[in-house]
Amino acid sequence: EPEVTQTPSHQVTQMGQEVILRCVPISNHLYFYWYRQILGQKVEFLVSFYNNEISEKSEIFDDQFSVERPDGSNFTLKIRSTKLEDSAMYFCASSVGTVLNQPQHFGDGTRLSIL
Amino acid sequence: GDSVTQMEGPVTLSEEAFLTINCTYTATGYPSLFWYVQYPGEGLQLLLKATKADDKGSNKGFEATYRKETTSFHLEKGSVQVSDSAVYFCALSDPGATGNQFYFGTGTSLTVIP
Repeated sequence: EPEVTQTPSHQVTQMGQEVILRCVPISNHLYFYWYRQILGQKVEFLVSFYNNEISEKSEIFDDQFSVERPDGSNFTLKIRSTKLEDSAMYFCASSVGTVLNQPQHFGDGTRLSIL
Repeated sequence: GDSVTQMEGPVTLSEEAFLTINCTYTATGYPSLFWYVQYPGEGLQLLLKATKADDKGSNKGFEATYRKETTSFHLEKGSVQVSDSAVYFCALSDPGATGNQFYFGTGTSLTVIP
């Protein structure tokens, strides 16, 4: 069964450094998402992406965050200057169409630790 | 705004016990409802879904019924197994009001002991 893959599984970065989290969505999917889960808290929506542009973003997704689909398969989340509070599990997801009819398929996540 | 409230954990049950994990929601439109499961060290996997009132989602012995009158989507299983030990997340999407993002509950950790 096709799946969403995320790399790396664990990323450790110094505060203030840039970090790029990578995702390969399911190949025939059109919508892509990033969520994060701070330890012990809810899974929170960050951003959705469709047709090569951001379709929706949350308040968390400020100017330090950006997303990109650099080629036909990868979907990346960049944090420009990391802060301690960016430490979390980051999940990528993809779906065929709008969520009402098609569920989102999630990757295994990247655990980001900011030192 | 939209939100999901989920039963606090952790929950510990003996094998073959009956499971209920409560989930209630608030939505401005007509949401679809989902249960996701996260096994240790893995990502979120869709367990079941319901897209309209009175729909029942079911998978792997788990069931949940979309109850609009009580705004609930409680997860049940008649006889749990050790392999069901995981964290369970209730989620909703409400495209009419909020676009295509999901709203998740806090997750309920289930441990099943032999």
